[in-house]
Amino acid sequence: KAGVTQTPRYLIKTRGQQVTLSCSPISGHRSVSWYQQTPGQGLQFLFEYFSETQRNKGNFPGRFSGRQFSNSRSEMNVSTLELGDSALYLCASSVGQGLETQYFGPGTRLLVL
Amino acid sequence: DQQVKQNSPSLSVQEGRISILNCDYTNSMFDYFLWYKKYPAEGPTFLISISSIKDKNEDGRFTVFLNKSAKHLSLHIVPSQPGDSAVYFCAASHGSGNTGKLIFGQGTTLQVKP
Repeated sequence: KAGVTQTPRYLIKTRGQQVTLSCSPISGHRSVSWYQQTPGQGLQFLFEYFSETQRNKGNFPGRFSGRQFSNSRSEMNVSTLELGDSALYLCASSVGQGLETQYFGPGTRLLVL
Repeated sequence: DQQVKQNSPSLSVQEGRISILNCDYTNSMFDYFLWYKKYPAEGPTFLISISSIKDKNEDGRFTVFLNKSAKHLSLHIVPSQPGDSAVYFCAASHGSGNTGKLIFGQGTTLQVKP
């Protein structure tokens, strides 16, 4: 099976712009979770989508949003970018039921100037 | 509020010896624990997991031990190899409706010297 894929791998934006990141889960996986990794805060949970519905949400401002499509692919959007949004954004997928492992994609490195 | 803590930022061991990475948690509701290995600018790679109904799980050179009374888990790597050098994260989740939400520790950088 192909793994989790994320596009683009690298992005450079300026403050105030918005950005959309894409994630394609492993085939058959219905849950997609998004995480932000920064040197200061580590890996932090953003939100999880399951069957096109947001099932869990982390402690991030409303500028961070996401959605999931019927084929389980997911996008996350960050509006009004701030310098502090520079990070590695990771998505992970799982089947979405019970205690199970999440498998991560390679991440999208976002730099906000 | 750091619910999952890895108190050792780094660990250095000799090739062939045992590496022991530790993780503590505060939330007694956690019922599933995982270890991931991560290289810079890459996504975490799953290593091994354990549910709260067990106290040990083994997979090849990797063994995870869970001590629920102490709210402590550890990852043992035997024997350690130079290719094991990476950042190791422990993570936890709770509840069947929350398995998509992992809480991560801050990571421990393991260096295995040849």
